[in-house]
Amino acid sequence: QVQLVQSGAEVKKPGASVKVSCKASGYTFTSYGISWVRQAPGQGLEWMGWISAYNGNTNYAQKLQGRVTMTTDTSTSTAYMELRSLRSDDTAVYYCARDASGQGMDVWGQGTTVTVSS
Amino acid sequence: SYELTQPPSVSVSPGQTASISCSGDKLGDKYACWYQQKPGQSPVLVIYQHSKRPSGISERFSGSNSGNTATLTISGTQAMDEADYYCQAWYSSTAVFGGGTKLTVL
Repeated sequence: QVQLVQSGAEVKKPGASVKVSCKASGYTFTSYGISWVRQAPGQGLEWMGWISAYNGNTNYAQKLQGRVTMTTDTSTSTAYMELRSLRSDDTAVYYCARDASGQGMDVWGQGTTVTVSS
Repeated sequence: SYELTQPPSVSVSPGQTASISCSGDKLGDKYACWYQQKPGQSPVLVIYQHSKRPSGISERFSGSNSGNTATLTISGTQAMDEADYYCQAWYSSTAVFGGGTKLTVL
């Protein structure tokens, strides 16, 4: 079945970096993009950016420009999201989602909790 | 920047029809999606391209989009429909989510 499996929870100190992985299975990885979405405790969904698994093109949310990098490894059908210079307000659950342009984010990973605390 | 506005909460009695609105400038000109999220779970796509339902989504879920407002309608609302609902659209290569609506089935 189509699924996205994310890496485990992370605890980081302010100023550190985190890299979350998202392994796809059950579909042709390069036929879709991957969006990353985060959700702070008790808050709504926030889109972080999108990457084409076909050619690696990216679009990032303006507020995260310069701190976030999204990549893919087509040999392992895995997408990665790295966030640098972590702050306490980066504490959130981070989701990857399969994104077929114009057809919505139709498959979601289970989420990865990232806690930023000194 | 582009914003999508949803009511924070909507209440409905079991068996009745629930409607959740999402407003944004010229939203009817964009493809709107809706996601359902239950506590502790990942979001689930319930409507895309204004009114299409992904495979496996109940026919009780429907969507419309015109002018500045997209609407998610849940007919014959059940207790299992109690969740947070988010609208989403693309604006200038950026995905935008509404703030979310908590649907309570009383």
